[in-house]
Amino acid sequence: LAKTTQPISMDSYEGQEVNITCSHNNIATNDYITWYQQFPSQGPRFIIQGYKTKVTNEVASLFIPADRKSSTLSLPRVSLSDTAVYYCLVGEDKLIFGQGTTLQVKP
Amino acid sequence: SAVISQKPSRDICQRGTSLTIQCQVDSQVTMMFWYRQQPGQSLTLIATANQGSEATYESGFVIDKFPISRPNLTFSTLTVSNMSPEDSSIYLCSVGTGLNTEAFFGQGTRLTVV
Repeated sequence: LAKTTQPISMDSYEGQEVNITCSHNNIATNDYITWYQQFPSQGPRFIIQGYKTKVTNEVASLFIPADRKSSTLSLPRVSLSDTAVYYCLVGEDKLIFGQGTTLQVKP
Repeated sequence: SAVISQKPSRDICQRGTSLTIQCQVDSQVTMMFWYRQQPGQSLTLIATANQGSEATYESGFVIDKFPISRPNLTFSTLTVSNMSPEDSSIYLCSVGTGLNTEAFFGQGTRLTVV
């Protein structure tokens, strides 16, 4: 399974756009890229998934370059409630979690 | 979507005993997984629960320590056997409805072994 690498932590302020980049150099042809969000004392929650180019939903955007060896999760205008751990995963079926990125949003 | 009910939500157990955690899903799902999350750490996959056959364990996890059952497409159990304080962790059930689909997670079972 492809291994992912993300920054361990990031800080931001309310109202700013936050971009979290994930590296997955060994991604396989059939692998999709999926991002999850986890708040303390809760299970992870699905944010967005993509295969290539750009995907957007009501919560975030996901940018994937042509070589698919990295991806960037974009959170527009974050609020304090976006403070959480964000995980980037690649794979078809079972999910192998990396360290994740702890995002701290400050007022 | 899938709604997962995990029981118990938390427990405090004596070392040397065993605890069985239940995962009930409100719809039939193809895939069920069990994870462990130690304080301040990421999730570690324990095993894939296979319906009608033995679970598939990840490296570092064995059936004798973490026996898993999956009698049907909506239910699974994970037992933590012969517990020690090192087993203190949050155990989470996850389900998926197919390849490259959204996975859903239970709220977790917070286990403390004393």
